[in-house]
Amino acid sequence: KAGVTQTPRYLIKTRGQQVTLSCSPISGHRSVSWYQQTPGQGLQFLFEYFSETQRNKGNFPGRFSGRQFSNSRSEMNVSTLELGDSALYLCASSVGTGGQPQHFGDGTRLSIL
Amino acid sequence: DQQVKQNSPSLSVQEGRISILNCDYTNSMFDYFLWYKKYPAEGPTFLISISSIKDKNEDGRFTVFLNKSAKHLSLHIVPSQPGDSAVYFCAASNDRAGNMLTFGGGTRLMVKP
Repeated sequence: KAGVTQTPRYLIKTRGQQVTLSCSPISGHRSVSWYQQTPGQGLQFLFEYFSETQRNKGNFPGRFSGRQFSNSRSEMNVSTLELGDSALYLCASSVGTGGQPQHFGDGTRLSIL
Repeated sequence: DQQVKQNSPSLSVQEGRISILNCDYTNSMFDYFLWYKKYPAEGPTFLISISSIKDKNEDGRFTVFLNKSAKHLSLHIVPSQPGDSAVYFCAASNDRAGNMLTFGGGTRLMVKP
C-alpha cells in the first residue's frame, strides 16, 4: 500500500513569493493534516481537512491556507513568504474517525532566501 | 504554553537493555496518545498508540503506559536495538475535535552496540 506522498521534496523561494505544496494521502484516507517543523518551535499543527472541509485550524497567520480535493489530495499554500517560513512541512493522513493514527509523508523542505 | 512535554532531550542506552521514554501533558481533554519515531530527512513513523480508556498497550518490543491521574505516559522498548536510534515524539489529541495532534519536543535515543 502506497504511503503519503508529498511533492516537491525540496523548494527554494525568496521573500515575498508564494508557494504551493502538494500531498497525496494513503488510499482510502479522508483526513489530511499539515504540520510545520522548525528547530525552535518543533512540530506544530497547521490545519486539517476532512471531506474537502477544513475541520481544524492551528495558530498560524492567514498567509497559510489549504484545500482538499474530492479525491482527498490536498494542497497547502503560503503567500508573501517570510524568512521565518523556512521549515519542513509535513502532511499526514488518516481514516478520519476517532482512535486512528495519522501517517506522515517525508515532507517538503522549504528554504526562504 | 507547552501542553505536551518531553523533559529529556536525549537518552543513551546499551543494546539489549530497556529504553524508557517519558512524556507529560497538561490538557485533561486529551484522550488519544501516540508515539512516533523520526529519522533525519524522513517523516515521523507511527509506532504505537493508546486510548485514554486503557492504561497499557503492547506491540512487539514496544509498550506504552498511560497514567491519567499523573497526566504521564511512557514508551518502553525491550530489548533496545541499534536501529532504534532516532528521535521519538509523543503526541496527543482530543478525538472528538478531529485529527489535531499536539507534539512534545522529542527525545533523541541512542542505542549503543
